[in-house]
Amino acid sequence: EDQVTQSPEALRLQEGESSSLNCSYTVSGLRGLFWYRQDPGKGPEFLFTLYSAGEEKEKERLKATLTKKESFLHITAPKPEDSATYLCAVGRDNFNKFYFGSGTKLNVKP
Amino acid sequence: GAVVSQHPSRVICKSGTSVKIECRSLDFQATTMFWYRQFPKQSLMLMATSNEGSKATYEQGVEKDKFLINHASLTLSTLTVTSAHPEDSSFYICSAIVGTSSDTQYFGPGTRLTVL
Repeated sequence: EDQVTQSPEALRLQEGESSSLNCSYTVSGLRGLFWYRQDPGKGPEFLFTLYSAGEEKEKERLKATLTKKESFLHITAPKPEDSATYLCAVGRDNFNKFYFGSGTKLNVKP
Repeated sequence: GAVVSQHPSRVICKSGTSVKIECRSLDFQATTMFWYRQFPKQSLMLMATSNEGSKATYEQGVEKDKFLINHASLTLSTLTVTSAHPEDSSFYICSAIVGTSSDTQYFGPGTRLTVL
């Protein structure tokens, strides 16, 4: 069964305290893994796409990595404005199918 | 670029009425759009895939007669919730893919539907 699991469900960090979010997947025919940020009451905002194991992408304090079974979103020296829910999604079948994880709610305290 | 809008952002309606939600790609043409619903503290659940000029493809368990989807142009898809009931209250989000060869979905801001 195709599944995307994110952990932890919630994460509280102090400002400047680096950490990682995990997204593990069991999806056949993976075409790409996506990370999104979602603020309360808003639609997801695109962050990264990763296509193959070993690939890494960075944007400001965020770095996403991909293996054959999971992806990590590393947050370096987070700031309060990084507080949001981070969603990962896996695309298959020519990207006509997207499977979303349940998200990690990140809270960064000043 | 790749901006998707939704209208309305919030709607409150009485049970039994129908509600239409619009999803527009503002600066690109979207051959394919997707409709999701999201319950509180849960992730996005794909409802249907909407292709311009053809019938939408619904996910298993989604009633196509209740959730009518129309994708009449390359920049507009609509979701109509017919005979809405309180259990249809949710956050509805659309997304679109740029052109036909892109893989990234860009999301609208969502529509909060409350059925009384």
